Amino acid sequence: GAVVSQHPSRVICKSGTSVKIECRSLDFQATTMFWYRQFPKQSLMLMATSNEGSKATYEQGVEKDKFLINHASLTLSTLTVTSAHPEDSSFYICALTGGRNTEAFFGQGTRLTVV
Amino acid sequence: QQQVKQSPQSLIVQKGGISIINCAYENTAFDYFPWYQQFPGKGPALLIAIRPDVSEKKEGRFTISFNKSAKQFSLHIMDSQPGDSATYFCAASIAGTASKLTFGTGTRLQVTL
Repeated sequence: GAVVSQHPSRVICKSGTSVKIECRSLDFQATTMFWYRQFPKQSLMLMATSNEGSKATYEQGVEKDKFLINHASLTLSTLTVTSAHPEDSSFYICALTGGRNTEAFFGQGTRLTVV
Repeated sequence: QQQVKQSPQSLIVQKGGISIINCAYENTAFDYFPWYQQFPGKGPALLIAIRPDVSEKKEGRFTISFNKSAKQFSLHIMDSQPGDSATYFCAASIAGTASKLTFGTGTRLQVTL
């Protein structure tokens, strides 16, 4: 399967600051990338879908101005959490699919803690 | 609205036993049903997946059973091992792809010695 590198694995930030999370495909051209959010002991909830070179499509209830997604190339997508609040503390996971979209490959996740 | 319901929430199985996790879906447009394994602090990893044109798929110790009429599918882990202890998620998507997966609520499996 594809190798997906997500960075950082853990980050602690102060309330009001912004945090950028990177998701890189090391050996696969990712035409579509997904960002999920997972609260402790809960399921993964899709936040947004992005196609290379296009604006991201956000799921209902996800603030696009707060969670900025950039899918600048076939190998890199970034999620920026702006003006972070403690309730944004969560586990964020990226996933990607290729041209045939037959399987989703997930990153290792980023544990965000806002203090 | 929870489109994919998963049970049980947690499961304890003895080493060598069979672990069974069940999922039910509502959206009849779903046509791709993967199972993911997730260890603490890690992203999910695909275990096995099935499409509605078959009723069963087996890969090693892992088997998916699929009942289209009942809109249910299940994961069977044969000869369960302590290393299988993890959280398992079923998922579903539309159009035969892995796009926009809808995940179940997860099952925490513990395999005891």
